[in-house]
Amino acid sequence: DAGITQSPRHKVTETGTPVTLRCHQTENHRYMYWYRQDPGHGLRLIHYSYGVKDTDKGEVSDGYSVSRSKTEDFLLTLESATSSQTSVYFCAISGAVGTQYFGPGTRLTVL
Amino acid sequence: GESVGLHLPTLSVQEGDNSIINCAYSNSASDYFIWYKQESGKGPQFIIDIRSNMDKRQGQRVTVLLNKTVKHLSLQIAATQPGDSAVYFCAAVYGQNFVFGPGTRLSVLP
Repeated sequence: DAGITQSPRHKVTETGTPVTLRCHQTENHRYMYWYRQDPGHGLRLIHYSYGVKDTDKGEVSDGYSVSRSKTEDFLLTLESATSSQTSVYFCAISGAVGTQYFGPGTRLTVL
Repeated sequence: GESVGLHLPTLSVQEGDNSIINCAYSNSASDYFIWYKQESGKGPQFIIDIRSNMDKRQGQRVTVLLNKTVKHLSLQIAATQPGDSAVYFCAAVYGQNFVFGPGTRLSVLP
């Protein structure tokens, strides 16, 4: 998985609780991304980062926030989880220009 | 906006046969295209890419064809093996923006 880890790998939580997912890379790549994957949809971009403390919104950013305080870590936070945020979340990284490489994913269930 | 789609959500092939998975895109301004393979419970894995100024690119047992006239690309897998069973999807790249298709599930029959 190109030096990318995600934690936790599985999580079950209740509606209204905060959740933070972590992505860690050892490749020193500049760009990091958070996607969600749902049946019948392609991967959809939530947020991305183009450097430490530099982030921007993606296609489906409502209800999510991110932070990147170090090159190697990119955190995705659901401030108040909802059932519609039940999904599989993937982190990806890329260099200046090029293919994105994906982590193993986090399966999140919001009850 | 950009969109990427696949023609078939599922495809079944006999072991040893060739597989062809198709993808269509809407915006011709893409820099290049990528094919990914995703096995159950795993993250997408890069297979092969092709730049928009190319028509064909070959890898090990895989070939990607790009037809810019009709905005279509395909992934051909030669001599399909059981280990090829997975979901395959394409991505169109516009700068740092990646647009992904929903995927085709390839099943390899013994």
